[in-house]
Amino acid sequence: SQQGEEDPQALSIQEGENATMNCSYKTSINNLQWYRQNSGRGLVHLILIRSNEREKHSGRLRVTLDTSKKSSSLLITASRAADTASYFCAPGGNEKLTFGTGTRLTIIP
Amino acid sequence: KAGVTQTPRYLIKTRGQQVTLSCSPISGHRSVSWYQQTPGQGLQFLFEYFSETQRNKGNFPGRFSGRQFSNSRSEMNVSTLELGDSALYLCASSYIPRDRANTEAFFGQGTRLTVV
Repeated sequence: SQQGEEDPQALSIQEGENATMNCSYKTSINNLQWYRQNSGRGLVHLILIRSNEREKHSGRLRVTLDTSKKSSSLLITASRAADTASYFCAPGGNEKLTFGTGTRLTIIP
Repeated sequence: KAGVTQTPRYLIKTRGQQVTLSCSPISGHRSVSWYQQTPGQGLQFLFEYFSETQRNKGNFPGRFSGRQFSNSRSEMNVSTLELGDSALYLCASSYIPRDRANTEAFFGQGTRLTVV
């Protein structure tokens, strides 16, 4: 498995705005997953996108995957205060997930 | 369905002591992974167990060990605790399909270990 690198490290936006964060990885993958972590809590699975998919939606979340560029993006639309959290990507496809340092998202009310 | 349960939630230990943390996975999940999270090192993989066998291991010293029981519950043990072992320890369980791909991990709330 491999570790993804999230970018930016930190992001602050006004409530209601959209937030975009990116993930880059190095080798080929079967899928890529995004997770959210509220401060001091466990990670929560958000979405899984397979290598043969280019875009996936789940509620206010939109994930894209570009395997040619080895990158993925997570878009959160109409952000809410409750979206304040750290977001991690996990590229891979088997049972061993490894994580980068995440993007710390702060939503300003 | 009950989620992943980690016990205890908080723990304070003294340097040199040992500690055992417990993780009960979601019913039907046979894979359990452990992670250490610190402000400096981020979220690091410790090891993964499947059907009582350790299948993957991260880069941690031998002081960190684990095991899995026949009911899939898992424990991890840290011996001779050091100040640097203070961290949030997270456990995750997964259902592993036959092709072993596309596995979503379900995390517990973690055990916050403080070594003084």
